[in-house]
Formats: sequence, C-alpha cells, structure tokens
Amino acid sequence: QVRLVESGGGVVQPGGSLRLSCAASGFTFSSHGIYWVRQAPGKGLEWVTFIWSDGSNKYYGDSVKGRFTISRDNSKNTVYLQMNSLRAEDTAVYYCARVVWIGAVPIVPDWGQGTLVTVSS
Amino acid sequence: AIQLTQSPSSLSASVRDRVTITCRASQGFSGLAWYQQKPGKAPKLLIYDASTLQSGVPSRFSGSGSGTDFTLTISSLQPEDFATYYCQQFTSYPQITFGQGTRLEIK
Repeated sequence: QVRLVESGGGVVQPGGSLRLSCAASGFTFSSHGIYWVRQAPGKGLEWVTFIWSDGSNKYYGDSVKGRFTISRDNSKNTVYLQMNSLRAEDTAVYYCARVVWIGAVPIVPDWGQGTLVTVSS
Repeated sequence: AIQLTQSPSSLSASVRDRVTITCRASQGFSGLAWYQQKPGKAPKLLIYDASTLQSGVPSRFSGSGSGTDFTLTISSLQPEDFATYYCQQFTSYPQITFGQGTRLEIK
C-alpha cells in the first residue's frame, strides 16, 4: 500500500526556516518524481516544487523560487523541503504527492495527509 | 502561463441530482485531471487525461472535453460527494496548475 507521510510542520516566525520531510513506503521510491503542493487556509491548491526520481532535476513555483529547496534521499525513501526566509503568505498545509506514469500520461494519484506550516510572530 | 477557470465557484444541489462543473483553460492543451477534496483531507484523484476514471472511483463520475473546455459530471449525487472539486493540468511538465475550485454543497 502506497503511503506518504509528511512531518516537520509547525509555527515559525517571519524570516525563519523550517524543513519538511515526506517519508514514502509501499512503492519503489527511486522510480517516482515527487511534488510538494500547498494549500493556504480556506484557499485552493498551489504547486510548490517537484523533484525527479533520481534528484537530478528540480523545479520551483515562482512564489518560492530562491527561498525553498527540494531534495531527496533515495536510500531513506524520503523527500525534503527546506524552507528559508519564510513569509506570512507561506502559511499553508503542505502535501507531498507522487507522480505515476500511465503510458505517456502523468498522473498524481497518491498524496500524504499534509503538514501545517504557520508563519507568524 | 496557462490559467484554469472553474465554474461555478460554488453550487448547491440535492442528492440524486446531476451536476456538471466546467474548467476552462486560457489556451488549449491535452490532458486534464479532476480531484475531490473534503475538509481536512488530501485531494483525491477522480479523473485523468480528461475522461479516464481513476481506479476505485465510482462510475457516476465522468469527465469530458478537449482543447480549452472540460467538464466533470456527477450523474446522481450521493451524500459523500459533497466536497470541493479542482481541475488540474500540467502547464509544462512537471509544472502544474490548478483551477480555483468548485464547492459543492447540499441544498
């Protein structure tokens, strides 16, 4: 059974840092790209970042570019999101999710339960 | 960047109603997914590639469309279907864009 479990959320002051983790199980972790998607309270879904299965390529949304860094350790089946220079607008539930390819079509069928990050003084 | 606009933003319906939600893209593309999200839960994939039902999703859900206009239809609403629905597209893989969401409430 596929499982993605986020951790590391909490309350942090503006300008501070936080590192989120996404621990995976139930599938061949090193074969799948992983997303971080966030959702501000009462708002919609926003793509944050993506990392290829082997970690060789990383992509970032404009709102986090230069402040957030995604990485992965395939030996630990874990993806990390290092968040620096946090702002109030980064307050959100952060989900990790995996990509599966159905032929030539990418889909995102598996999501974690999310971890809440609150940026507040 | 491609933008996805869902309509309506919210709607009220009754059990056994037929409901349609629309997702319009600012430019044409292929492949669209639909998700269902309930409060405090992660999104759940319902439909991908515009019309393919994800494994385990009830057949009352269906998707259609191409180019810039896509629809999600629930043929006969069940109590567990009241939730928020999002469309999603790969702007330029792996970058993804979501619609703003449609909240489906009980009338």
